[in-house]
Amino acid sequence: GAVVSQHPSWVICKSGTSVKIECRSLDFQATTMFWYRQFPKQSLMLMATSNEGSKATYEQGVEKDKFLINHASLTLSTLTVTSAHPEDSSFYICSARIRGQGDEKLFFGSGTQLSVL
Amino acid sequence: DQQVKQNSPSLSVQEGRISILNCDYTNSMFDYFLWYKKYPAEGPTFLISISSIKDKNEDGRFTVFLNKSAKHLSLHIVPSQPGDSAVYFCAASDGLGGATNKLIFGTGTLLAVQP
Repeated sequence: GAVVSQHPSWVICKSGTSVKIECRSLDFQATTMFWYRQFPKQSLMLMATSNEGSKATYEQGVEKDKFLINHASLTLSTLTVTSAHPEDSSFYICSARIRGQGDEKLFFGSGTQLSVL
Repeated sequence: DQQVKQNSPSLSVQEGRISILNCDYTNSMFDYFLWYKKYPAEGPTFLISISSIKDKNEDGRFTVFLNKSAKHLSLHIVPSQPGDSAVYFCAASDGLGGATNKLIFGTGTLLAVQP
């Protein structure tokens, strides 16, 4: 199946710094990418939908100025957690959808564990 | 408000037996349901899906049952194999899984198949 590469796999940072997470579709074009966050013992929560060449659509309660999403090409979307704080510590995971396909064709990255000290 | 619930955080089954993973939902607008499987350090991968016009979908050892009146679906794996040990996520959407519809995930159930 298609491959989505996400890195870094884990990152530890100091409070107040910014962290960038990359999500790449390696062998297909992804017109839409999704960013999720998962807290321990909770479900994957959709944060935002990223469309190539346009602004991301954020879910209710997600601060767009804090979680900057850029989908500059058909193979790359980035999530930047700006001025990270301990409460932002979570597991972040991206997924990418092949152009024109339904949810079966949703491919996930391996996730990024963010720990903010 | 948890719209998709997987009330069993874990399940242990003997190899060769049936594994039954359950999922409940609250939003009656959901019309498309999916199961994803996740191994450690990997992203979830699609397993099987079902639309609301059906009550059963089968793919090899995996069968998904949908009970719309009870807002309940289940994933049956038979026979279970040690390689099935993983976290299973139930997910739902409200647009027949169309390209613009987002998925709502459950919290996952960790299945352990004992040899």
